[in-house]
Amino acid sequence: EVQLVESGGGSVQPGGSLRLSCTVSGFTFSYYWMHWVRQAPGKGLVWVSLIYSDGSGTNYADSVKGRFTISRDNSKNTLYLHMNSLRAEDTAVYYCARDSHYQIDSWGQGTLVTVSS
Amino acid sequence: QSALTQPRSVSGSPGQSVTISCTGTSSDIGTYNSVSWYQQYPGKAPKSMISDVTKRPSGVPDRFSGSKSGNTASLTISGLQAEDEADYYCCSYAGSYTWVFGGGTKLTVL
Repeated sequence: EVQLVESGGGSVQPGGSLRLSCTVSGFTFSYYWMHWVRQAPGKGLVWVSLIYSDGSGTNYADSVKGRFTISRDNSKNTLYLHMNSLRAEDTAVYYCARDSHYQIDSWGQGTLVTVSS
Repeated sequence: QSALTQPRSVSGSPGQSVTISCTGTSSDIGTYNSVSWYQQYPGKAPKSMISDVTKRPSGVPDRFSGSKSGNTASLTISGLQAEDEADYYCCSYAGSYTWVFGGGTKLTVL
């Protein structure tokens, strides 16, 4: 069974940093591209970032470019999202998700990040 | 990248059919067949319902079907059931390793 489990969410002040993790099981992690997608409270889904299967390539939504960094450790079956210079508008549930042929086919349960003073 | 356009809400009675539209541009839906649909219950993670415009993942009832014409994709749910009441999101690959979601549609089963 494919499983993705996020962790690392919490409350942080504006300008602060946080690192999210996503540990996966049930599939060969190193074969797949991976995404982060977020959802602000009461709002829709927004794509945040992508990383290639071997970590050699990444991309970001304009809203987080230069502040967020996606990375992965294939030996630990773990995806990361390093978030710096956090803003109130970054408050959201963050989902890690698996890519299959340029589409998301599996999702984690999400972890809530709250940016507030 | 602007979000894809979905109706904010649709409704139907049990047994009826409903269609949710998802309008993009020639830079996303109009060019790529990497269009997918997701079902999301309140407080839960999204679930894949349709991929590659028309394909249903294993376990998804055949009451769910997808289509595309030009810059607009559609999700049709036939034989509506109470458990179909949820939020539905479309998503398209938008080129240059970016993706765009729709704003979401709340389906109410009357």
